[in-house]
Amino acid sequence: SQTIHQWPATLVQPVGSPLSLECTVEGTSNPNLYWYRQAAGRGLQLLFYSVGIGQISSEVPQNLSASRPQDRQFILSSKKLLLSDSGFYLCAWSKSKGMNTEAFFGQGTRLTVV
Amino acid sequence: QQQVKQSPQSLIVQKGGISIINCAYENTAFDYFPWYQQFPGKGPALLIAIRPDVSEKKEGRFTISFNKSAKQFSLHIMDSQPGDSATYFCAANTYNTDKLIFGTGTRLQVFP
Repeated sequence: SQTIHQWPATLVQPVGSPLSLECTVEGTSNPNLYWYRQAAGRGLQLLFYSVGIGQISSEVPQNLSASRPQDRQFILSSKKLLLSDSGFYLCAWSKSKGMNTEAFFGQGTRLTVV
Repeated sequence: QQQVKQSPQSLIVQKGGISIINCAYENTAFDYFPWYQQFPGKGPALLIAIRPDVSEKKEGRFTISFNKSAKQFSLHIMDSQPGDSATYFCAANTYNTDKLIFGTGTRLQVFP
């Protein structure tokens, strides 16, 4: 069966510090991978998505970047965090060839920038 | 045109009542409309989904109603239970894209 792992679960970082969130998927190959951010009381904002190794599409200009060094690994990074980067970050995967099937989400990372 | 507008932002329902959440879209190319349920501190999980070739889909107490001409779809939760208290997201995408566009979410609270 397929599983998605996302860590850490919570993170408190000072302004200006770097960020690295990791997501891995097991039990499937060539998945589509996604990073979403959920601000308090708001919806799910798509940040990045990837259809293959090294292929990253950015949805919004921001202080963050994403990388996919391996087929089932997706990393969200920042060189210098801003207060506005606080939020709940969710990694998700779906089968390739579009998301016209179920998307599976990780448990999320609660990031607080102080 | 890529937006999915969801209402209400929050909803309070008494146990046994009907919860109704509405979504509207502009992009006529959307052809898949799922609803996700999210409990606090967890990632969303697929609840039920519909394609535009049908006007209604029912799974247990959950029903999606779809109005293609009005570009609207809604989630009905019959006999709402306290365990249904969660945030609900509607979403949409097209088969030939790799993006799932979410609504802004509805926080449902069901009181006994």
